[in-house]
This record gives sequence, C-alpha cells and structure tokens, in this order.
Amino acid sequence: GENVEQHPSTLSVQEGDSAVIKCTYSDSASNYFPWYKQELGKRPQLIIDIRSNVGEKKDQRIAVTLNKTAKHFSLHITETQPEDSAVYFCAASKGTPLVFGKGTRLSVIA
Amino acid sequence: SQTIHQWPATLVQPVGSPLSLECTVEGTSNPNLYWYRQAAGRGLQLLFYSVGIGQISSEVPQNLSASRPQDRQFILSSKKLLLSDSGFYLCAWSVRAFYEQYFGPGTRLTVT
Repeated sequence: GENVEQHPSTLSVQEGDSAVIKCTYSDSASNYFPWYKQELGKRPQLIIDIRSNVGEKKDQRIAVTLNKTAKHFSLHITETQPEDSAVYFCAASKGTPLVFGKGTRLSVIA
Repeated sequence: SQTIHQWPATLVQPVGSPLSLECTVEGTSNPNLYWYRQAAGRGLQLLFYSVGIGQISSEVPQNLSASRPQDRQFILSSKKLLLSDSGFYLCAWSVRAFYEQYFGPGTRLTVT
C-alpha cells in the first residue's frame, strides 16, 4: 500500500523566514496531495491541496509543489508568523482513504 | 454549507467500560465517512471508513467497531475500553474518496 514519509519532524524558524516541509510517497498511482494544519488541541484543517495534473499551487503565503517523477511534494510557507506555529501533516491518495505522514511540528520564533 | 458534529467533546471512562462516540454530517448526501485516532503528540491513525450505509472497512484490528445506521451518521463503539484506547478521536467526511476531506471537532477520550 501507499507509504508517506514526512521530513523534518520538527522545524524552528525565525519570524519572517520561510519554512519548507517535504513529503515523499511510494505509490505512483496517487493523484491527490493535501496538506493539513493542526493547532494544539484542535482538529486538522485543510490548508492547501494539489492534484497530479498540476505542478505548483499558491494561496497567499503558502504554496505546494509536486514532482511526480521523483514522487515528492513540498509545502512552502513564506514570511512566517507566530500563528503559523502548528503541526503540519501531508497526505496522499489514489481514491482510497488518505495516507498521512507523521507530521512536522513548526515553531515560529518571534 | 456542510457541517460535521461530534459528541461528546470530552469523555473520561474507566477501563472495561463501553464506549459510544457519534458523528453526524449536515448539508451533504452520501458522504464518505472516516474515524481516526490520534494519541497525544502523535499522528493520525485511520480506524474505519465507510462509503455508504452499512458499509464499513476496518483498517486496524482492535477492540473497536464502527457502524453507519444512517447516511450521515457514523458511530464508533467499544464493548470494553483499554487504557491504550485513550486519545483524540476524529471523525471526517469527504464527498468522494479522493476529494477534500474535512475533520470534525473531535472527542478527547481518557481511559482511567
């Protein structure tokens, strides 16, 4: 079955710097790749997603890139702010339930 | 718009007691429904998913079970809770299997 690896597990950045989280997947048939943000004690929230027919997608300060050949996708957050501090999960799917990475704890230091 | 509800929000149960968590979705028909468990500081473990009434797929063998008695209702149950069942239980829904998936507010279960 699908396996999703996510790195790094923890990431600390200074406010205003960029943060990059990377995920790799194993099943080349996967075609949907969402990212979720989970604040402490809250539910995961879908923040951005990308499908296999697109290489990059942006929404204000966040962007996701997909490299199907290498089977990896990344989340980019620019101009980080303290409210970006959370756990971020990537996932992959080919029409079956989402397979999640283990998460990245992002800390933005003011 | 679509809304997903879960209750109770928090629950403290002794070991060996039964469990029933409920999830309902409003504003959509025939959703795919999912139950996840998240241990403290850990990732999301898929427990069950359902593509229709009475159709349940189990991802992890354990002392939990799930049922879908109505189109927009998903129930997670246990006959006898274990200490290891403690965690944050999240229900989620999607329109189709590979489309956007949205989580409910969760139930925080502590087994004592």
